[in-house]
Amino acid sequence: GDSVTQTEGQVTVSESKSLIINCTYSTTSIAYPNLFWYVRYPGEGLQLLLKVITAGQKGSSRGFEATYNKETTSFHLQKASVQESDSAVYYCALGAITGNTRKLIFGLGTTLQVQP
Amino acid sequence: DPKIIQKPKYLVAVTGSEKILICEQYLGHNAMYWYRQSAKKPLEFMFSYSYQKLMDNQTASSRFQPQSSKKNHLDLQITALKPDDSATYFCASSQDGLSAETLYFGSGTRLTVL
Repeated sequence: GDSVTQTEGQVTVSESKSLIINCTYSTTSIAYPNLFWYVRYPGEGLQLLLKVITAGQKGSSRGFEATYNKETTSFHLQKASVQESDSAVYYCALGAITGNTRKLIFGLGTTLQVQP
Repeated sequence: DPKIIQKPKYLVAVTGSEKILICEQYLGHNAMYWYRQSAKKPLEFMFSYSYQKLMDNQTASSRFQPQSSKKNHLDLQITALKPDDSATYFCASSQDGLSAETLYFGSGTRLTVL
């Protein structure tokens, strides 16, 4: 089946420090899935942060970056300098296919806490 | 203003009862979905609807029944509730079924079954 693994349940980083949130994936339904990072800010619904549909490419948004690495089946999220407003839950996801329909397969999520 | 409204935010129910989770979207989208996140589990896909027709059902139990009375509504009826149904239920929408990976989510309904 398809799965996404986020190894850190919670990450605490001081403001202005760098961040990396790990994500690896496994898929059987599609050879090169589209990869996504969604973010959920407190009290809100999940929203798309960035997506990459081509292996080897990098996506970026709001200072965050992630590179689609098909060799290591990874899609780690990075930011050079975090802000307190980045505190949220970050979900890695892949696009899977079941029959004729598409759906997202999510990781468990990583809670980022940025300390002032 | 939130574009996808889920009601209620919190819901407590007793085992064996029935509840309806409400979802309305004001994005003009043609596809709607339900996802669920139980404790220590990832968000999991439940249903997808496109133009008010069921496209995919990944729930094993018939106790979960989506209801689409209008194009921008997709409610979720859950009958014979069990403690294992305790989870946060997220409604989402996309422009159409082909855009099922670019989703807009509501803030969720947290259901606790005692």
